[in-house]
This record gives sequence, C-alpha cells and structure tokens, in this order.
Amino acid sequence: EPEVTQTPSHQVTQMGQEVILRCVPISNHLYFYWYRQILGQKVEFLVSFYNNEISEKSEIFDDQFSVERPDGSNFTLKIRSTKLEDSAMYFCASTRQGGGTDTQYFGPGTRLTVL
Amino acid sequence: KNEVEQSPQNLTAQEGEFITINCSYSVGISALHWLQQHPGGGIVSLFMLSSGKKKHGRLIATINIQEKHSSLHITASHPRDSAVYICAVTETSGSRLTFGEGTQLTVNP
Repeated sequence: EPEVTQTPSHQVTQMGQEVILRCVPISNHLYFYWYRQILGQKVEFLVSFYNNEISEKSEIFDDQFSVERPDGSNFTLKIRSTKLEDSAMYFCASTRQGGGTDTQYFGPGTRLTVL
Repeated sequence: KNEVEQSPQNLTAQEGEFITINCSYSVGISALHWLQQHPGGGIVSLFMLSSGKKKHGRLIATINIQEKHSSLHITASHPRDSAVYICAVTETSGSRLTFGEGTQLTVNP
C-alpha cells in the first residue's frame, strides 16, 4: 500500500541553525500538509500546499518557515533559524483531493530536537 | 476558529469492554476525522465522516451534525487497541485539520 515517507526520523540541531525536513507524499496525491506536535500537546496545522504554492498557513508558520516541492516527489519544510520552541514532532500528510473531504495520509514524523 | 473538545482525556478499560470516546466541535465542518496515534508517534486515519455512521471491524464512528458531536466506539476492546485516539475536523472553507487533545486509551488484559 502506498505510504507517505519522511526523513530523517530524528534530527538534532543547535539553536540558530537551519534544518530541512523532507517528505515524499503518495505519488498521485496533489495536496500536501505539514503539522507539528510539541511533546504532550495536540497536533497543530502549519501549512498546506497545492499546485506549487501555499494554500493556507497558520499563525505559527512565520517568516522562519518555508515549504518547497523541489521536484516531482519531494516536499520539504525548512526552518531558517531554529529556536528551542521549534522542538517537536513534524508530520507531513497528503491527500488526493482538497476541499476537506478526503482522507489525509500521514507520514511517520520527524522528531526535531533543538539544543 | 473551531474548538474541538474530546472526552475523556484518559480511559482505562479491561479487555472485552465496550469503549466510547466523545468529540464535540464549535463551528460548521465539511468532515470529521478519527485518527489513531501509537506510542511511536505515527498517526493513522481511522474514519472520515460527514454524516451518519461508519463501521470498520470492531470500530464504529457516528456523527450528529445538528448537535456538532461525534462518538468513536470500540467493541470487544483488546490490549492492542491501546493508543491515543484523536478527533479532528476540517471546516467548510479549506482543508486544514483542527485537532482535539486526544484520548489516551489503555486496555488491560
């Protein structure tokens, strides 16, 4: 069964460093999402992406964050200058269709630890 | 902004018991999702529903749109059902998921 993959599974970085989290969505999916979950808290929406541009973004997704689909398969989340509070599990998800009535398929997550 | 509330926060059951987890939300939605999160962190979609009832194996999900309420039922619970169950909604505009806090379910043998 097709699945969303994410790399790395765990990333440790120093405060102020740039990180890039990578996702490979399901191949025929058109809508892509990033969510994050700080330890012990609920999952939060960051950004959605369709047709090579951002569809929606949350208040969390400030100028330190960017997303890109550099080729036909990868979908990346970049954090320019990491802060301690960026430590969280980051999940990528994808759907075939948009509009909110399609099942979202989640990747296994990347645990980001900022020291 | 939609608020998604789940109850209970924690639930401990004996193997074989019937389990109900509740979810309520505050504004109109296009769909409600029930998700399962295992200790390793991975999230799996169990159901997406916009009306009525869906069943998959021992899991049943219902939704009442007028009351803005959904329930997830597990029949004949088993220790392997132990996980965090999360309710999430997509509003009528957009496709972002808004999540509840989750319900930690522990099923003891």
